[in-house]
Amino acid sequence: DAGVIQSPRHEVTEMGQEVTLRCKPISGHNSLFWYRQTMMRGLELLIYFNNNVPIDDSGMPEDRFSAKMPNASFSTLKIQPSEPRDSAVYFCASSLVRTDGKTQYFGPGTRLLVL
Amino acid sequence: AQTVTQSQPEMSVQEAETVTLSCTYDTSESDYYLFWYKQPPSRQMILVIRQEAYKQQNATENRFSVNFQKAAKSFSLKISDSQLGDAAMYFCASVFQGAQKLVFGQGTRLTINP
Repeated sequence: DAGVIQSPRHEVTEMGQEVTLRCKPISGHNSLFWYRQTMMRGLELLIYFNNNVPIDDSGMPEDRFSAKMPNASFSTLKIQPSEPRDSAVYFCASSLVRTDGKTQYFGPGTRLLVL
Repeated sequence: AQTVTQSQPEMSVQEAETVTLSCTYDTSESDYYLFWYKQPPSRQMILVIRQEAYKQQNATENRFSVNFQKAAKSFSLKISDSQLGDAAMYFCASVFQGAQKLVFGQGTRLTINP
């Protein structure tokens, strides 16, 4: 069974450009999470969805960040315009809450560098 | 606030020996889940082991086991027969009652000496 899939794995862009990160959760999972990892702040939750509906976006840093989940098998995290301080590893994770004890399974991450 | 704390930024152990990583947490709730994740240099977050707070029996997964002390709010990870592939950053994390968000500790970097 395929795990969580993220693309791209690495992204280098220039300040001001739009960046789109993609995630495909594990088939059948009904919750999807976006996390960001930096040296300064560690791992922090940006937003999560239940059944494709955003539940908590309080971790989204500012209006430059947006996330969508148009269907159960796909989500995007968009940064527009990007800034150097957005450089981080972005993880997507998914879970099946009712039967799997809230266990979250992570994708390989997208390493973003904004120049 | 619900917090998870790892007080050991770095640990090292000789190959084949046993090492214990510490984790404490703070919550007033009775129902929660505790996890250990491993992050090797590839940056992938890999689930190592999970413990439900309502279960008194400590979880085990092959060479990995936990010592869950609910009253002390302690959740340590023991790695037996350490292998070179165990070298990684280890994160303790929790999902507290009524929430779905993982709260992470600061991480412990484990080095395995051959």
